[in-house]
Amino acid sequence: SQQGEEDPQALSIQEGENATMNCSYKTSINNLQWYRQNSGRGLVHLILIRSNEREKHSGRLRVTLDTSKKSSSLLITASRAADTASYFCATYRSGGSYIPTFGRGTSLIVHP
Amino acid sequence: SQTIHQWPATLVQPVGSPLSLECTVEGTSNPNLYWYRQAAGRGLQLLFYSVGIGQISSEVPQNLSASRPQDRQFILSSKKLLLSDSGFYLCAWSPALTQETQYFGPGTRLLVL
Repeated sequence: SQQGEEDPQALSIQEGENATMNCSYKTSINNLQWYRQNSGRGLVHLILIRSNEREKHSGRLRVTLDTSKKSSSLLITASRAADTASYFCATYRSGGSYIPTFGRGTSLIVHP
Repeated sequence: SQTIHQWPATLVQPVGSPLSLECTVEGTSNPNLYWYRQAAGRGLQLLFYSVGIGQISSEVPQNLSASRPQDRQFILSSKKLLLSDSGFYLCAWSPALTQETQYFGPGTRLLVL
């Protein structure tokens, strides 16, 4: 079964608004990561949050992790048209697995 | 700094033809290497991963195979392509010790006709 599932599948907002994407997973994890993919390109790592962390910031990105609910959220503040991309969460299972599991992604469109 | 290369960028192949996609990593040693396939508008499907030369693990049974002839070279192959093999193929590497972050190549778009 899919370890990470993003929600919503698609999100359309106006420039300047905030964008929130959610990720749910099923098993215990060591860490959770968010990636970004521009159309037709490879994925780019955005941010990693460890299982013992609850919140992390990087520029306009804010990630939260709730291990009791097995969920994470990615918030992009003051969005820009250049933020248009697909966003994926990925998890490594606890126990030393080196196989990440990616969700299906959220497609974000930011209208100028 | 580390870089990852994939080629070709785009490929159009007839059904039944062979396939060879190559991925190379520079600036690191003994990386974990991964091949993914991404269908249009979908997530990533892990196809193969490798933790060392000659060590290949397959995640999905299919007509594809992978090889790692050198430490930083990962090759995806097929003897006979199917229509269902069309997709966007991504190679990625991660540090062997930390295994925390994956670094992706630019991808190869394969269209099988």
